[in-house]
Amino acid sequence: DAGVTQSPTHLIKTRGQQVTLRCSPKSGHDTVSWYQQALGQGPQFIFQYYEEEERQRGNFPDRFSGHQFPNYSSELNVNALLLGDSALYLCASSPTDLYGYTFGSGTRLTVV
Amino acid sequence: SQQGEEDPQALSIQEGENATMNCSYKTSINNLQWYRQNSGRGLVHLILIRSNEREKHSGRLRVTLDTSKKSSSLLITASRAADTASYFCATVQGGSEKLVFGKGTKLTVNP
Repeated sequence: DAGVTQSPTHLIKTRGQQVTLRCSPKSGHDTVSWYQQALGQGPQFIFQYYEEEERQRGNFPDRFSGHQFPNYSSELNVNALLLGDSALYLCASSPTDLYGYTFGSGTRLTVV
Repeated sequence: SQQGEEDPQALSIQEGENATMNCSYKTSINNLQWYRQNSGRGLVHLILIRSNEREKHSGRLRVTLDTSKKSSSLLITASRAADTASYFCATVQGGSEKLVFGKGTKLTVNP
């Protein structure tokens, strides 16, 4: 049973560009959350998707947007990249209304 | 902003010893969870303790929760080199969907 799958694993982008990160949740999970983890810090909540709608959002600017598809997979889009967006982006999935998330291995984004 | 604060920031022990990590948080919670992260990759869920529970065990792990002090501790008994990782506590507030993480404790277990 595959866990949470994220792609790509690593990504290098130039300041001002746009990026799309992808996540496939664990089988049987319908809720997807995204987190940003800067070096040496704990993960910070970006937003959560359920039934193709954004259910909750953290303290991130509108440059960060997302989408969830009918098969529960999700995308995270970041526009107008800044150097400070360099981080590990983690996707986590869970079944409906249950706690204890399964995390993917993350996408390491470097903005130069 | 981060809710939890883990203590210590770094811990180095010998294989076979016990490791204790502490977490303090600021607001009332629904539950508290501990996660492990190896080498800056994905997090692995270790254990969840609800606000009405005081202690929970899972294999070599023991977690306690003191809601009056807004603190939790994670004890790893008989540590192994493979336990070397960063450990994070994360809280969930009532009515919220998000995990709020601390900065983590970096544990090194020397063989």
